[in-house]
Amino acid sequence: AQKITQTQPGMFVQEKEAVTLDCTYDTSDPSYGLFWYKQPSSGEMIFLIYQGSYDQQNATEGRYSLNFQKARKSANLVISASQLGDSAMYFCAMRWRGAQKLVFGQGTRLTINP
Amino acid sequence: NAGVTQTPKFRILKIGQSMTLQCTQDMNHNYMYWYRQDPGMGLKLIYYSVGAGITDKGEVPNGYNVSRSTTEDFPLRLELAAPSQTSVYFCASGTLYNEQFFGPGTRLTVL
Repeated sequence: AQKITQTQPGMFVQEKEAVTLDCTYDTSDPSYGLFWYKQPSSGEMIFLIYQGSYDQQNATEGRYSLNFQKARKSANLVISASQLGDSAMYFCAMRWRGAQKLVFGQGTRLTINP
Repeated sequence: NAGVTQTPKFRILKIGQSMTLQCTQDMNHNYMYWYRQDPGMGLKLIYYSVGAGITDKGEVPNGYNVSRSTTEDFPLRLELAAPSQTSVYFCASGTLYNEQFFGPGTRLTVL
């Protein structure tokens, strides 16, 4: 069965530092996609970045990049130059070929300290 | 575009009452989803739909029903509300290979 694991319940980082949020996944399907979402305290779910299993390069979107290590089945989110507004819950999610749905991890609560 | 809209934003129900959570999207997406998020947890899929007239169960469907008569609307029905259904409910829509777009959520409390 497909599964997403986020092992860091909470992280505390100093402003302007880079931060890596871990995500490992388990699937036997060679075709899948990995997503990261941000959930600030206001509650909405904000899409950040996507990586396809066949993508040759790691995805990047502004200060967000995805460190995709296929052999290790990990898809860590890297936030460069963290800002106070990055404080939020972060969810990793996966969708595999033929599936019309996402499976979400438990989330990591990131707190940026001034 | 309004994206995905949900009503109501907040609701308190008594045990045994019923209600319908409304969800509408204006992006012409075929795929629509209902999730619930319990405190401190990730999202769990309740039901989803791949098009008008087609729905399927997700991970936690018990106590809920859905219908999809149009592309735009995907209401979630709670019958005989129970305290275990206290949660935040998110509706989402998307296409098969792209990200899902989420509504703002409905915070439901069952007392």
